[in-house]
Amino acid sequence: NAGVTQTPKFQVLKTGQSMTLQCAQDMNHEYMSWYRQDPGMGLRLIHYSVGAGITDQGEVPNGYNVSRSTTEDFPLRLLSAAPSQTSVYFCASSRTGTSGLNEQFFGPGTRLTVL
Amino acid sequence: RKEVEQDPGPFNVPEGATVAFNCTYSNSASQSFFWYRQDCRKEPKLLMSVYSSGNEDGRFTAQLNRASQYISLLIRDSKLSDSATYLCAVKEGWGKFQFGAGTQVVVTP
Repeated sequence: NAGVTQTPKFQVLKTGQSMTLQCAQDMNHEYMSWYRQDPGMGLRLIHYSVGAGITDQGEVPNGYNVSRSTTEDFPLRLLSAAPSQTSVYFCASSRTGTSGLNEQFFGPGTRLTVL
Repeated sequence: RKEVEQDPGPFNVPEGATVAFNCTYSNSASQSFFWYRQDCRKEPKLLMSVYSSGNEDGRFTAQLNRASQYISLLIRDSKLSDSATYLCAVKEGWGKFQFGAGTQVVVTP
């Protein structure tokens, strides 16, 4: 299994440009999430999904859209990039185990710079 | 106030020593708890889940105190390779996790 994959690894955008960060998992996990990580701020939840067709907002959803058309894929779209969106973005997936202790598995991250 | 808080450190620990640190959470309905390890510019990786009765994995011991709403991580016999940032994670509902900002541990020779 490849686990959780993210593309691209690095991206530079100009203010106002749009782009989609890709995330895919091959573990048949129901749950997927997007986080951003900024220095001193830890991981902040942007959006998450509990299954295909179901998404919900996290702590910092403004400026981002998501969709979940399949179990495997959970793309994050930046509508009009702003310098404040410069960050490292992590995608994660998890499932419900029999014990309920369903840890998250993370992708390698996308480092985004908005000029 | 952040829902999950950690002392950012750094905790400077001599090799072979013991270090412990806590993570507090504000949502009393939180369901599950985890410790993750994150190396510089890498993705977080699960270190251990935290069970209600506490649990141990080699040199690492995790505890949960629901009454006071905190979890703890203790590292015994610290190795240089233990230098990292340790993130606590709290599962609040279906697929929703909250993370602390992390505690940096630096193990020195």
